[in-house]
Amino acid sequence: DSGVTQTPKHLITATGQRVTLRCSPRSGDLSVYWYQQSLDQGLQFLIQYYNGEERAKGNILERFSAQQFPDLHSELNLSSLELGDSALYFCASSLSGGNQETQYFGPGTRLLVL
Amino acid sequence: GNSVTQMEGPVTLSEEAFLTINCTYTATGYPSLFWYVQYPGEGLQLLLKATKADDKGSNKGFEATYRKETTSFHLEKGSVQVSDSAVYFCALSDRGGYQKVTFGIGTKLQVIP
Repeated sequence: DSGVTQTPKHLITATGQRVTLRCSPRSGDLSVYWYQQSLDQGLQFLIQYYNGEERAKGNILERFSAQQFPDLHSELNLSSLELGDSALYFCASSLSGGNQETQYFGPGTRLLVL
Repeated sequence: GNSVTQMEGPVTLSEEAFLTINCTYTATGYPSLFWYVQYPGEGLQLLLKATKADDKGSNKGFEATYRKETTSFHLEKGSVQVSDSAVYFCALSDRGGYQKVTFGIGTKLQVIP
């Protein structure tokens, strides 16, 4: 158990809809990361937050947005969903976001867009 | 930009065989290097890491050495077990600024008894 929790575990929705994925980091970790894992694209970094502020952006679509709240939990919002958004979405956390730090991954949210 | 190249697999080995999974990288500067492992149905977890040239990371019988001259970080284990069956990801973290990790495509390892 990494100490990172993600909800929901599974999500099935239709094209055009909007969903919110939630992540709680390990106790004491200030930095949160979001990743998308799909069969054709592999593991793609989406975005990183540190103590409520956006720190780094990866291959995140404009239809996607995220935020980190004062209690350090984070939400990833996916809107105008397309079939191609079906993937596993992982959240990870680390102490302060430094480049030598280990990231601790949650179990993921499996999103299926029909 | 940064990139990580690793064999896609799947790699199938018999129990107690020697394992090598190759990983090479392209990065500006001197990144930190990681191997993460993903067991079926789970998230990724750190297996080992190295933060500077010639460092050797090791854990659970796995080893990898940071080779700057060949820009490589190959994963090795002398004797694999069925419980090592998983997907292994090589990754790098750019030394400049905050951590932005680039992952390889992942190599699936299947160990048969």
